[in-house]
Order: sequence, then C-alpha cells, then structure tokens
Amino acid sequence: DAGVIQSPRHEVTEMGQEVTLRCKPISGHDYLFWYRQTMMRGLELLIYFNNNVPIDDSGMPEDRFSAKMPNASFSTLKIQPSEPRDSAVYFCASSLRGVGGAAEAFFGQGTRLTVV
Amino acid sequence: GEDVEQSLFLSVREGDSSVINCTYTDSSSTYLYWYKQEPGAGLQLLTYIFSNMDMKQDQRLTVLLNKKDKHLSLRIADTQTGDSAIYFCAEKYNQGGKLIFGQGTELSVKP
Repeated sequence: DAGVIQSPRHEVTEMGQEVTLRCKPISGHDYLFWYRQTMMRGLELLIYFNNNVPIDDSGMPEDRFSAKMPNASFSTLKIQPSEPRDSAVYFCASSLRGVGGAAEAFFGQGTRLTVV
Repeated sequence: GEDVEQSLFLSVREGDSSVINCTYTDSSSTYLYWYKQEPGAGLQLLTYIFSNMDMKQDQRLTVLLNKKDKHLSLRIADTQTGDSAIYFCAEKYNQGGKLIFGQGTELSVKP
C-alpha cells in the first residue's frame, strides 16, 4: 500500500476562496482523522470518522470548515471562505482499530495551505 | 477534558541521553504513543505503551509510564544528529479511536 495520500501538497489561495483538501486513507482502515498543525497551537484534531461516519467534529473551528467521507477510500476537508488565519499544515491520518490492538495512526505527508 | 502537555524544546549533545516528558489528563487512556516528525514530513509512530505497563524498551528507546501521576516519558539513549526532530506524545482518548496529541517537543542534537 502507498500509505495515506493527500493532495495537493501545497496550496496557495486568496482570502475568500474555497479550498478543498483531499485524502485517500490506507485500504482497509476504518478510522480517518483530519489534523491541523500550526506553530501557535501545535497539532489539533479537527474531525474524525469511523466507517465513513463523522464521530467527533468538535475540533472544527468554524462553520467555514466542513469534512466529508463519501466512501471508505476518500475524504475531503473544505474551507469556504478561506481566511489568512487558516494557513497551516493539514494532515490526514488513518488507522485500523483491531480488538486489543494499539491502532497505529498512519499519517499522510500533509497539505501546506497558505491563504494570502 | 482532553489535554496532553509537553515542553516545547530540548537540546542535547550527540552521544548523550535525551528525555522527553509528557503529561496527560485522561486516566482511561488505553494506549499512549510517541510519534516522530521530521522536517516537511508527516508523523511516524516510534513506539507505544499499553496503560497497564510501567516500562517498555525498544533498542535505544525507553518509555516510562507513571499512571498515578499521568506522566509519560521517552528516553533516547546515545542520541544522534539524525534524532533531531519533533516528538509528539499522544493518548487514545476514552473508548473510541480518537487520538489526542501534545504540542510536540523539538529535539535539537548538537555534534
């Protein structure tokens, strides 16, 4: 397996524009996480899915942020409209929660978003 | 609430031991993890410990868990320049698959 694949790797956009980040989890994994990393706030959990169903979106900062997982192999994180303070590295991760297992989370390379 | 805290920076000399500390809040955590992030990359799992263990050793890495104080540490023996990275502590929160990370400790290894 190629691991968790995120696209694009880098995104530069103007304030007010819509941004869509994409993630392909590892095949067979049943958990998918979206994290945001900034210098000020570290690594924040935005939302996570189990079997394509959103379980906890309490970390989503505002209504401008939305995430979907239409099937087991694809998820999107959308920001509309984008603002400069959304600039960060966004990571997607997936894991398989086996019974009694440690459920290692595998991370993608991240999308570096810059909103100007 | 969920909270994982780490110190932000640690600087050591090559060949010395490094100790990175972490405190967490959820006493029902089943697993605690250490992840490593190299520049420009995602996080990779280094090691983990089950909550009913006090210690786990894996080559140069030693994890100590004090469940009473909710304190986790990672010791890297014979630290090398290639160990320079950001190290994240994480806990699996409650009964679900939710992973909460600390802010990360930036380890700088000087020759």
